[in-house]
Amino acid sequence: DAGVIQSPRHEVTEMGQEVTLRCKPISGHNSLFWYRQTMMRGLELLIYFNNNVPIDDSGMPEDRFSAKMPNASFSTLKIQPSEPRDSAVYFCASSLKGPGTQYFGPGTRLLVL
Amino acid sequence: DQQVKQNSPSLSVQEGRISILNCDYTNSMFDYFLWYKKYPAEGPTFLISISSIKDKNEDGRFTVFLNKSAKHLSLHIVPSQPGDSAVYFCAASEDPGTYKYIFGTGTRLKVLA
Repeated sequence: DAGVIQSPRHEVTEMGQEVTLRCKPISGHNSLFWYRQTMMRGLELLIYFNNNVPIDDSGMPEDRFSAKMPNASFSTLKIQPSEPRDSAVYFCASSLKGPGTQYFGPGTRLLVL
Repeated sequence: DQQVKQNSPSLSVQEGRISILNCDYTNSMFDYFLWYKKYPAEGPTFLISISSIKDKNEDGRFTVFLNKSAKHLSLHIVPSQPGDSAVYFCAASEDPGTYKYIFGTGTRLKVLA
């Protein structure tokens, strides 16, 4: 059974450009999470969706970040405009239900020059 | 301010010996703790958990110890194997029924053959 799928795996872009990260959760999971990993802060929860509805976006750093989940099998995290300090690994995770074990995708390594 | 701290960024251990990974937390409301393991180019995977009503939880070669008064937990791996080489994250939440975990910055374990 396929796990959480993320694309692209690597992204290099220039400051000011729009970046879109994509995630396909495990089929049947109704909760989806976006995390950002940095050396200084570890894994930080950015946003949590339950049944495609954003429940908690308190971790989204600023208005440049937005996330959508148009259906149960797809989510995007968009950064516009991107800045060098956004460089990090972005993980998507899903779980059967909110409090359940979270299954992480392989991550997208983003470098903003 | 980091509420969950893993003060050792890296650790090297000889195969067959014990690996001890440490994690400290500052929030006395944290009630439930997890360890995740992460291999390069993969997402974190759940390893073991412990509730604050226990001070020890064991799963095969992995044991997590919790010292609530010291706000400290540790993961013991005995015996360590080269396949255990990975980054280990501890995470904490105020409620096992929540989706929201605070992660540490991780400790990179290298088990030497």
